[in-house]
Amino acid sequence: LAKTTQPISMDSYEGQEVNITCSHNNIATNDYITWYQQFPSQGPRFIIQGYKTKVTNEVASLFIPADRKSSTLSLPRVSLSDTAVYYCLVGDKNNAGNMLTFGGGTRLMVKP
Amino acid sequence: NAGVTQTPKFRVLKTGQSMTLLCAQDMNHEYMYWYRQDPGMGLRLIHYSVGEGTTAKGEVPDGYNVSRLKKQNFLLGLESAAPSQTSVYFCASSYWGLSRGTGELFFGEGSRLTVL
Repeated sequence: LAKTTQPISMDSYEGQEVNITCSHNNIATNDYITWYQQFPSQGPRFIIQGYKTKVTNEVASLFIPADRKSSTLSLPRVSLSDTAVYYCLVGDKNNAGNMLTFGGGTRLMVKP
Repeated sequence: NAGVTQTPKFRVLKTGQSMTLLCAQDMNHEYMYWYRQDPGMGLRLIHYSVGEGTTAKGEVPDGYNVSRLKKQNFLLGLESAAPSQTSVYFCASSYWGLSRGTGELFFGEGSRLTVL
C-alpha cells in the first residue's frame, strides 16, 4: 500500500485559496488518489478523486503532476465552514479487495 | 434513505466485558468497513468485508471480530474489552471498491466507546 504524507496542520483566512499537498512517493500504476473531509464528531466525506493531471468539481480541484508522486488539493476562497481535517488516500482501482487506509490528515483552520 | 446507521452511538464498558456494534446500510453496497479513530488521530482500518459472508483483516484487527451474515449489516464485536479500545468507531460502506467508479466511502456518525 502506498504510504501518504501530509502536513499536520495549516492555517488560512476566509476568502483565501488553500492548497494542501500530499506526498505518495511509492504510488503504483493502478493507484488512484482520493481526498476526504472530516468535521468534528462526524465521519469523513468524499471530496474528489483523480488519477493524473487535473480534476475539478464544485468544491475543489485536484492537481497531480506527471510523476504522480504527490498531489495537491486546492480549495478556492475558503470560508469558516471549511475548517476540518483533510485526508489523502491512495488505493488500487483494480484490486477488488482494496483496503482504504487513512493517514493522519491535515487539520485546516480557517480564521475570520 | 438513512444511509449508514450505527448503533449504539455511545457505550461505556468495564474491562473484560463484551459488546457488539451494529452497522446497517440501506444503499445495497457490497463493501463495508470498520475503522477506529483515537483522539486527534486519523482513522485506522480494523476489518472490512467485500460481500455477504466474507470478512478480512485490516491494519488493527487484534481484539475485534466481525461478521457479515446479511449484506446490509456488518457487526463489530469486542469479546473482552480493554481500556486501549476506548475510541470512536466508524462504519463505512461503498458500492464497490475502487474497481468500479470512485469507490466512494459513505460513513456513519460514529460510535463512541469508553472502556473503564
